[in-house]
Amino acid sequence: NAGVTQTPKFQVLKTGQSMTLQCAQDMNHNSMYWYRQDPGMGLRLIYYSASEGTTDKGEVPNGYNVSRLNKREFSLRLESAAPSQTSVYFCASSKRRGAQAGELFFGEGSRLTVL
Amino acid sequence: SQQGEEDPQALSIQEGENATMNCSYKTSINNLQWYRQNSGRGLVHLILIRSNEREKHSGRLRVTLDTSKKSSSLLITASRAADTASYFCATDAGGGSEKLVFGKGTKLTVNP
Repeated sequence: NAGVTQTPKFQVLKTGQSMTLQCAQDMNHNSMYWYRQDPGMGLRLIYYSASEGTTDKGEVPNGYNVSRLNKREFSLRLESAAPSQTSVYFCASSKRRGAQAGELFFGEGSRLTVL
Repeated sequence: SQQGEEDPQALSIQEGENATMNCSYKTSINNLQWYRQNSGRGLVHLILIRSNEREKHSGRLRVTLDTSKKSSSLLITASRAADTASYFCATDAGGGSEKLVFGKGTKLTVNP
């Protein structure tokens, strides 16, 4: 049982390049999240998806797009990477508790450097 | 802006001592959660406390919630070197929101 799997684990990009971070969960969870973690800033929510085909903006969505094509997978795309997007990205999933946020299960993170 | 704010930012104690971390938040919530993060790893859920609960225990962990003060505390009793990690509180925005917003965390160091 893998839980939440993120790929790639490490990536170096040049400014202006694009890339997609992949996330998959095998726990049959409805909700999935993308966060970024920067030193001294904690975790900030980029995008959230309550179910397949639905997405919603978080605190810091600018410069990112997401796609929830099926229940298992939630991808995060950087169309034109900027140095300010250098960060550690975490994907998480949760089983909805009625209309409330449940326990989040996190992946191990994707460390992105934009030069 | 971030909903939760942990205090202190860093805490260093000796093995066997208790560690207390606090979290303050701004708006009404449905529940509050605490997570732990070891260096270089993903976050791991520790405990969830609902807005109608005042205290919850899990092993050596004790969490309290005071909704009138919009604050929570995490107590780790009889700490061990293996408890060294960063601890985060996370809150939703209430009213049916599933978005979880995290604070900046408390970095706990337990010295052997």
